[in-house]
Amino acid sequence: KQEVTQIPAALSVPEGENLVLNCSFTDSAIYNLQWFRQDPGKGLTSLLLIQSSQREQTSGRLNASLDKSSGRSTLYIAASQPGDSATYLCAAQNYGGATNKLIFGTGTLLAVQP
Amino acid sequence: GAGVSQSPSNKVTEKGKDVELRCDPISGHTALYWYRQRLGQGLEFLIYFQGNSAPDKSGLPSDRFSAERTGESVSTLTIQRTQQEDSAVYLCASSLARRPGPTNEKLFFGSGTQLSVL
Repeated sequence: KQEVTQIPAALSVPEGENLVLNCSFTDSAIYNLQWFRQDPGKGLTSLLLIQSSQREQTSGRLNASLDKSSGRSTLYIAASQPGDSATYLCAAQNYGGATNKLIFGTGTLLAVQP
Repeated sequence: GAGVSQSPSNKVTEKGKDVELRCDPISGHTALYWYRQRLGQGLEFLIYFQGNSAPDKSGLPSDRFSAERTGESVSTLTIQRTQQEDSAVYLCASSLARRPGPTNEKLFFGSGTQLSVL
């Protein structure tokens, strides 16, 4: 059974700092690993999707890496801004079966202080 | 529509009452998902619809929960005889995935329905 864990649960940084959010998963037979952002009172927004054959994906100031052998993914945010404040969730999608459900971590609450 | 629409945005109900939550997916999205998010927790998969295939109901927590989808359009999640532990945000998502099984198609989420059972 896939389990996804995110550390830290909360993080506060001053504006301009680079930061790393961590995600670990127990079953390395993943189809992909996805990162989402959740703002208060809103749904999730897809940030990056890393396919199992890929090592990383980049979008603007965001870079996500995937190491299946160690069961880890990281989300790197460069030059953080107050607008980056949100909860960041990672989710794993596994091979097998007729479903494509995602298994989510509990998230990292990020606060970027101006 | 432009995005996934859910209604109501907030629902307060008394224990024991039935509630119905609605989801309008993005037009053309054949895959539709329901997730539940309890306070301070991650998202919990409930049910998945894909075209005319049998839905994956493996995440429904009890027989008080049921969901329907008409073709590739609106879905409703019904909770009968609500309990206080049902209080959560119920999120709907849709994607362009065209067949059952793993997909690299991105999910688009609605803003959710905040359900409070008193």
